[in-house]
Amino acid sequence: GAVVSQHPSRVICKSGTSVKIECRSLDFQATTMFWYRQFPKQSLMLMATSNEGSKATYEQGVEKDKFLINHASLTLSTLTVTSAHPEDSSFYICSAPGGAGTQYFGPGTRLLVL
Amino acid sequence: GQQLNQSPQSMFIQEGEDVSMNCTSSSIFNTWLWYKQDPGEGPVLLIALYKAGELTSNGRLTAQFGITRKDSFLNISASIPSDVGIYFCAGFGGTNAGKSTFGDGTTLTVKP
Repeated sequence: GAVVSQHPSRVICKSGTSVKIECRSLDFQATTMFWYRQFPKQSLMLMATSNEGSKATYEQGVEKDKFLINHASLTLSTLTVTSAHPEDSSFYICSAPGGAGTQYFGPGTRLLVL
Repeated sequence: GQQLNQSPQSMFIQEGEDVSMNCTSSSIFNTWLWYKQDPGEGPVLLIALYKAGELTSNGRLTAQFGITRKDSFLNISASIPSDVGIYFCAGFGGTNAGKSTFGDGTTLTVKP
């Protein structure tokens, strides 16, 4: 079946640095991808919708300058957490639409900001 | 925005028991989805429901799309240890066009 990969799977960085997370659709093309954030024991919170060839659409309350999204090709979307701080530590998950409302999720990226 | 109320929040059961969880919403959806998330992984689709009243099975899992289009349930029969994880319901096709709304999840623990 369709597979979505994420890289890195986990990252530890110092406060103030930027971190880039890649999301790839491995055997299909995705003009749209979604980026979620998940805190421990909580649900998935949609951060933004990544659109190939155009600007991402951010959810209310998500800082677009803090979380930069680039959908450079039909198989790659990236999320860059700029000037990361400890409160940005979380589990970040991307997904691509699978048709009829379904989504194929990536394995997630665990970010820890020290 | 739209919200889903998923219950129960957590369940502790013995291996072999049946499990039931449900989601309700104040607004309608065109599609109901159930996902399972293992620790440290992304969610995986279990069942998708597209018609009001639809009852669909996937192995030991059975889910139904409520007649009112505002609710859905998931049943797991004869639970096994690998059923452990977090189960999320999601509604699609409501007022949040093109996006899914997720429930808060049901954490399932199965004791051998």
